[in-house]
Amino acid sequence: NAGVMQNPRHLVRRRGQEARLRCSPMKGHSHVYWYRQLPEEGLKFMVYLQKENIIDESGMPKERFSAEFPKEGPSILRIQQVVRGDSAAYFCASSQALANTGELFFGEGSRLTVL
Amino acid sequence: AQKVTQAQTEISVVEKEDVTLDCVYETRDTTYYLFWYKQPPSGELVFLIRRNSFDEQNEISGRYSWNFQKSTSSFNFTITASQVVDSAVYFCALTKGFSGTYKYIFGTGTRLKVLA
Repeated sequence: NAGVMQNPRHLVRRRGQEARLRCSPMKGHSHVYWYRQLPEEGLKFMVYLQKENIIDESGMPKERFSAEFPKEGPSILRIQQVVRGDSAAYFCASSQALANTGELFFGEGSRLTVL
Repeated sequence: AQKVTQAQTEISVVEKEDVTLDCVYETRDTTYYLFWYKQPPSGELVFLIRRNSFDEQNEISGRYSWNFQKSTSSFNFTITASQVVDSAVYFCALTKGFSGTYKYIFGTGTRLKVLA
């Protein structure tokens, strides 16, 4: 399966710890997007990255959250000093070019539980 | 501002019944895209359909059909002869046609329960 790969699928952290979520885009895709789904809600856009560049982070919380997409390796969403409100499913999506046709390919999500 | 409303929080039907999931959207853009996704209990997002704002033709795919009406800003989804495997949360989503097409606006979802 050459789809968008996310890991871990499930992550449990205690308050104050750090969470790192990884996303490998589909083969040939150089644009990555992160979305967050809070319990019982729809997904909400967080950040859009290309290799080594953050293009749009208008949906990212100002503190504790960061994202990167290095030249080599997966994109990483990092949450420092997690709090219970960070418990959510985090979805990564990718596209081959800027998604002018609106078509993103989503991964299976990483579910973060903060105790 | 863009907005997607799925007023039906949860629907329960008996197997083989038809069911329609409503989606109403708001946008000032003339070019936009609408989507439906299925989220089964396992949690992944399954793409069902994408429709651009210039194509109002209804679409049928097997037991699934979609009714897009710009006049009422609605993009409703009907499952004919529902099956237990259709049980899932269904999301409608909207995005711009240009500049920022990656910022999907999702509705809050409709949980469909199909009972055997």
